Amino acid sequence: NAGVMQNPRHLVRRRGQEARLRCSPMKGHSHVYWYRQLPEEGLKFMVYLQKENIIDESGMPKERFSAEFPKEGPSILRIQQVVRGDSAAYFCASSPLGASAETQYFGPGTRLLVL
Amino acid sequence: AQKVTQAQTEISVVEKEDVTLDCVYETRDTTYYLFWYKQPPSGELVFLIRRNSFDEQNEISGRYSWNFQKSTSSFNFTITASQVVDSAVYFCALMDSNYQLIWGAGTKLIIKP
Repeated sequence: NAGVMQNPRHLVRRRGQEARLRCSPMKGHSHVYWYRQLPEEGLKFMVYLQKENIIDESGMPKERFSAEFPKEGPSILRIQQVVRGDSAAYFCASSPLGASAETQYFGPGTRLLVL
Repeated sequence: AQKVTQAQTEISVVEKEDVTLDCVYETRDTTYYLFWYKQPPSGELVFLIRRNSFDEQNEISGRYSWNFQKSTSSFNFTITASQVVDSAVYFCALMDSNYQLIWGAGTKLIIKP
């Protein structure tokens, strides 16, 4: 059973470009979470999605950031017009049922570097 | 407010020593979950343990053990007979009623041969 998959593992963008980060949850998991880890810090929650629904986006910056989890295909975290402060590791996690009862399993992360 | 504090930024010990990583949390919820994750130098996050707020039994898994004390809001992690491969950043996290994981800042553990 493959774990949570994220790609790309490393992404370099210039200021003003768009970054698209993809996450495929574990087989049988229908809940996806995105977290951001700034250098030398713990992770910060960004958004919680189920298929075709955003459940909680309280941690998402109000501008430039969006997330989706379509009926088919991976979850996408999109960052438009990236700035240097967006440089971070972005982790995706998945769980099989309602999050209150289940552990979140993490992917390997995407390291975004904005030049 | 929900908060997780890992006061130890970095710990360095010699191989085979025992080491305890501290975690103190704050929450108003009566039902919550506590977690430990390991982040080795390769960067991935490895789940170690989940504990719910109603289960105060200590847990042992090989060289790892966890001490959950509700009275002091602590969930400490001990590695016995540490090994170089234990070198990593260890995160304590709290899951609140909103399903979000709230993370401590992490403790960097260095095991010297």
